[in-house]
This record gives sequence, structure tokens and C-alpha cells, in this order.
Amino acid sequence: RKEVEQDPGPFNVPEGATVAFNCTYSNSASQSFFWYRQDCRKEPKLLMSVYSSGNEDGRFTAQLNRASQYISLLIRDSKLSDSATYLCVVNMGGYQKVTFGTGTKLQVIP
Amino acid sequence: GAVVSQHPSRVICKSGTSVKIECRSLDFQATTMFWYRQFPKQSLMLMATSNEGSKATYEQGVEKDKFLINHASLTLSTLTVTSAHPEDSSFYICSAMFRQGNEKLFFGSGTQLSVL
Repeated sequence: RKEVEQDPGPFNVPEGATVAFNCTYSNSASQSFFWYRQDCRKEPKLLMSVYSSGNEDGRFTAQLNRASQYISLLIRDSKLSDSATYLCVVNMGGYQKVTFGTGTKLQVIP
Repeated sequence: GAVVSQHPSRVICKSGTSVKIECRSLDFQATTMFWYRQFPKQSLMLMATSNEGSKATYEQGVEKDKFLINHASLTLSTLTVTSAHPEDSSFYICSAMFRQGNEKLFFGSGTQLSVL
């Protein structure tokens, strides 16, 4: 089993739609979790950290389920500019190891 | 916010030459930096973890003699691709861990290496 798994997609959704991505991780000792966004041939950029209590930033909501070992990202009212690859990142803590998922590609269609 | 600077952004070189890529943390000290490689339409692959003042830790399958990493200061790590070949052509990205409360990972802008 991969350490971090994501559905690669692509997810093709119309503008205004709500879309959700999941990411599962295998190591129960993982301590911190993030969603990054990567545009084509660009570096990943931090979208949001993910906390146990769940957190929201505008149209984006991230949640962590430690019992089931997955994190999720919900995007409401999708915009064309949301089209990108969304990377799930899991950190075991400190500098031990940061692991990336393979990314989920989102394409928002006019 | 934390900034990581990486350069050059693009390199085109002949087969057999060596290429050095620099990664700098501009406004914070990074005892650890990470180097990744990304082939077209594929995910980021961690190559090695660069530790200031000590040897880098390489991931399985990454040749340490081919990809030389030096982390001589708290703000600079370099990756040297020695005797580059066309199969080394890829997008190389560095990152550094920024700790202010929660830990966050910030990335350089990447280096597109093309070996002819």
C-alpha cells in the first residue's frame, strides 16, 4: 500500500459545482497534513493546512479523519481558476519524512 | 511569508556536462531542505533530504554520486547533476521546512533541465 494515496482524476466539473477530493495515508503516526496546489510546470503552493477540527478558507474546506486515516478537500462554487493538480502532503513530524500523494487533477469547465 | 529562491529556472546543456542548482531560504533558516524531481504528467518524487552540515539522505534508487547535494549553510543547499544525460532531463524542485507554530513546506520555483 502506498504511504499516501489519491485518486489521480481528472475530475472534470462545470463552473459553480462542488467537488471533493480524498487522500488516504498509511502511517498512523503521521502528524501534520496539508493540501498543496500545483499548476502545470510550476512549483506546488500551499493551499491550506489540515487540522483535526477541520478548517475552512473561503470556498475551500479541509478535514482530517484520524480514525480512518484520510483527509479531504472540498471546493465549493468552482471557478475556472481552480483548475490545477491538488497534492495531499503528509508529514510524520519534524524532519522525518514528508510524503506527497500523486495529486488529483481538477479541470473546471465553462 | 517564507520565501525559497531557486535558480536557474531553466538549463539546457550538452550530455556529459554537470549542472548546479541552488536553493536558498531567503528570510528564514532551514536546517533541512528537500530535493524533488518531476517528470511530465507525473507526481513529485523525493530524491533526497539535505541536512545542514551533514550528508544528505537519498531515497532508494537515487544515485548519490550522480546527484551531489551540499548544504553548507542554513540558507543554501545545492544539487549538482554530474555528467548529465538526456534521461536526467526533468523538472527539479527544492523545498524547505518553515517552522512558525505549525510546520509548513515552501517550494522553490523549480528548474527545468534539458540535456541534449
